[in-house]
Amino acid sequence: DIQMTQSPSSLSASVGDRVILTCRASRNINNYLNWYQQKPGTAPKLLIYAATTLQSGVPSRFSGSGSGTDYTLTISGLQPEDFATYYCQHTYITPITFGQGTRLDIK
Amino acid sequence: EVELVESGGGPVKPGGSLRLSCSASGFPFDSYSMNWVRQAPGKGLEWVSSISSSGSHILYADSMQGRFTISRDNVKNSLYLQINSLRAEDTAVYYCASGSRGHDAFEMWGQGTMVSVSS
Repeated sequence: DIQMTQSPSSLSASVGDRVILTCRASRNINNYLNWYQQKPGTAPKLLIYAATTLQSGVPSRFSGSGSGTDYTLTISGLQPEDFATYYCQHTYITPITFGQGTRLDIK
Repeated sequence: EVELVESGGGPVKPGGSLRLSCSASGFPFDSYSMNWVRQAPGKGLEWVSSISSSGSHILYADSMQGRFTISRDNVKNSLYLQINSLRAEDTAVYYCASGSRGHDAFEMWGQGTMVSVSS
């Protein structure tokens, strides 16, 4: 199975900050990497697919990059509504696996 | 408006069975693959199973093989997950999520249904 490791596990930041969340796969996943945002008590929401493509309706302050085994989600100019948990997911082969999540909270 | 609505969760004793349903509307259900993802209380997301748009291709996470059965009815715009021999560790919110056209991400999600396994 491909293991997905996110770092950091938690992060405190302020409104307006730029934050970078990292996801590392245990082997090359050829950009089959997606990012989701989840707020407490709600379903996950797709933010970015195929490593770099912004899902329709998602603000442009979210961006994704990376290749091979290493990927990042960048949020430029944090807004109050961005404080949530973020998960990466690979869909390269089965089993599909998610990272353990990065919780982003307000400093 | 696109909507996925899960139902069928609830309290169940170990060894029992449940059939979860996911009703879809607002998009061409029969053109999308579908998925089940679960989340134990306070934990992360875990992929359970996927089914192709026609239902002909099915995948399960290794730990779900044998006790979980995914199916769909494209006439009723519905997705199902049968879970047998329930265990305490199956306690979780179960989400249905659609696939996407053109990529493999899980595009649309339901609100989830809670399954609680306890004696």
